[in-house]
Amino acid sequence: DGGITQSPKYLFRKEGQNVTLSCEQNLNHDAMYWYRQDPGQGLRLIYYSQIVNDFQKGDIAEGYSVSREKKESFPLTVTSAQKNPTAFYLCASSLQGDTEAFFGQGTRLTVV
Amino acid sequence: DQQVKQNSPSLSVQEGRISILNCDYTNSMFDYFLWYKKYPAEGPTFLISISSIKDKNEDGRFTVFLNKSAKHLSLHIVPSQPGDSAVYFCAANPSSKLIFGQGTTLQVKP
Repeated sequence: DGGITQSPKYLFRKEGQNVTLSCEQNLNHDAMYWYRQDPGQGLRLIYYSQIVNDFQKGDIAEGYSVSREKKESFPLTVTSAQKNPTAFYLCASSLQGDTEAFFGQGTRLTVV
Repeated sequence: DQQVKQNSPSLSVQEGRISILNCDYTNSMFDYFLWYKKYPAEGPTFLISISSIKDKNEDGRFTVFLNKSAKHLSLHIVPSQPGDSAVYFCAANPSSKLIFGQGTTLQVKP
């Protein structure tokens, strides 16, 4: 089945540790995105990539890093510099930047 | 500054009635808009979109209206069903990235 897969669904980490969230798609989409959702808030854009080996910062990129070495994969690293990392993280992809995006099921990260 | 705004955090309607969800945007250069539906602990799913060359787009029970002069769009759901209860996000698509509003929680009562 074609789709976009995020893993794991739940993730727990100790404060001060870096953690990497996985996002893989087999839709042959060019563009990929990472969003963060906090309770009572909308989806805020962290990073996005329109092509392999290229990515841009979104509105809240501080404390995060990404890579786009393969078209299918867009992992997000939450670093220890991110002050409030506990959140629900959503990955998305689209055929081009100006079409509808398809989302993964999300990863809930809890930092204790 | 919020470029896409959904000023109503919640909406409650009776089953069978119309649900109207509103969205405002600030940048007149935005030319493509989307609505997504989201259940708790899941990713959003795409519902319907509209390009700025149109003022209406319809898909079954869902209709999106765009008023470019007012920089306003709305999603109409007719008739509303209990399964429509979810959070609805409006999004704009400028410069190849999606910008979302804060979301409106719709509750459809049986």
